[in-house]
Amino acid sequence: AQSVTQLDSHVSVSEGTPVLLRCNYSSSYSPSLFWYVQHPNKGLQLLLKYTSAATLVKGINGFEAEFKKSETSFHLTKPSAHMSDAAEYFCVVSFNTGGFKTIFGAGTRLFVKA
Amino acid sequence: DVKVTQSSRYLVKRTGEKVFLECVQDMDHENMFWYRQDPGLGLRLIYFSYDVKMKEKGDIPEGYSVSREKKERFSLILESASTNQTSMYLCASSLPEKRTSEQYFGPGTRLTVT
Repeated sequence: AQSVTQLDSHVSVSEGTPVLLRCNYSSSYSPSLFWYVQHPNKGLQLLLKYTSAATLVKGINGFEAEFKKSETSFHLTKPSAHMSDAAEYFCVVSFNTGGFKTIFGAGTRLFVKA
Repeated sequence: DVKVTQSSRYLVKRTGEKVFLECVQDMDHENMFWYRQDPGLGLRLIYFSYDVKMKEKGDIPEGYSVSREKKERFSLILESASTNQTSMYLCASSLPEKRTSEQYFGPGTRLTVT
């Protein structure tokens, strides 16, 4: 079965410290993986995506993620958190099973303390 | 920039009312989607459309219908609103079925059914 699990529902960091948001997936097919961000009362915005090219993917606003096939993980990181990073983050897996299928994780809410 | 707009940001309706949520995209995308977002559940697909007048059920279609008469417009219809349909509704669009295509989201409509 295909699934995506975000391991933390909430993460709290201090401004200027590193951010790690964890995502594991399960897929029998070659997946594409995405991270989206949602600020309060806004729609989702694409941060970055992995599509079977380089395993380390750089996105907007200093975020990056590494695809690790052996660990079936796609964790999102940022070296130094900013107050404006406070938002909800969604890990998403997409694949073809003869039809198009996308699965969203439940989300991780990131809090950034001053 | 891709733009996906939704007809209302906030909507309050009474139980039993017929509700229309409209979504318009300006990027000539073939695919359009309707999701509902509830805390702790991530995004769940209600319906999607891959062409004009074409539609397919998503994971939670019960109580909803859709209409796509023009390529740029995708409407979600609640035939008889119920309190358990109180939620955030997100519309999205994307290029044709490809594993690597990201989705572009509208700002969402927060619907309250009383």
